[in-house]
Amino acid sequence: AQSVAQPEDQVNVAEGNPLTVKCTYSVSGNPYLFWYVQYPNRGLQFLLKYITGDNLVKGSYGFEAEFNKSQTSFHLKKPSALVSDSALYFCAVRALLMDTGRRALTFGSGTRLQVQP
Amino acid sequence: EAQVTQNPRYLITVTGKKLTVTCSQNMNHEYMSWYRQDPGLGLRQIYYSMNVEVTDKGDVPEGYKVSRKEKRNFPLILESPSPNQTSLYFCASSLSGGHYEQYFGPGTRLTVT
Repeated sequence: AQSVAQPEDQVNVAEGNPLTVKCTYSVSGNPYLFWYVQYPNRGLQFLLKYITGDNLVKGSYGFEAEFNKSQTSFHLKKPSALVSDSALYFCAVRALLMDTGRRALTFGSGTRLQVQP
Repeated sequence: EAQVTQNPRYLITVTGKKLTVTCSQNMNHEYMSWYRQDPGLGLRQIYYSMNVEVTDKGDVPEGYKVSRKEKRNFPLILESPSPNQTSLYFCASSLSGGHYEQYFGPGTRLTVT
């Protein structure tokens, strides 16, 4: 079975400060990793993904994420937070399930980011 | 505009009354999927479809049915809804089921009393 852990339910950061939202995963084989953001009363929006290659991935709205294979992590980062970044963030992993052959997509439980002015 | 639409956005119903939530995408995507979102549990996949007439169970398929007769539509059917199916439901689509990102609909908030 594969799993995704987002250890922090909420992250608070002051505007202008750097932010990190943590994500670790457990899979068999090589994963595809994603970050999505959800604003109130909206569906999820894609931010960025890691498929292969460079461990540092850049995405929308100035966000980036670093893939660390040895630590099985894919933390989301931004150098300078904005109040408008306040939202719910989801990490997701897609990998091949050996028992079913299905390439399942598993989401973490989400982390609420609160950026204070 | 590229989008995934869902209807209805809000629905309150009673136990046992069959309902259908529609989902449509205009991006010619092959892969479509249904998720439910519950507090503290993130999104869990209910069913997915790799293409027309190809559907398969996700992680929490019990109590749900789907069909994929046309590429653009992927309705979710609750034959006999129960209160534990009260949730926020999202439809999503992507080019295929591999490394492509998914596009999500706006969500359907379902309450079963």
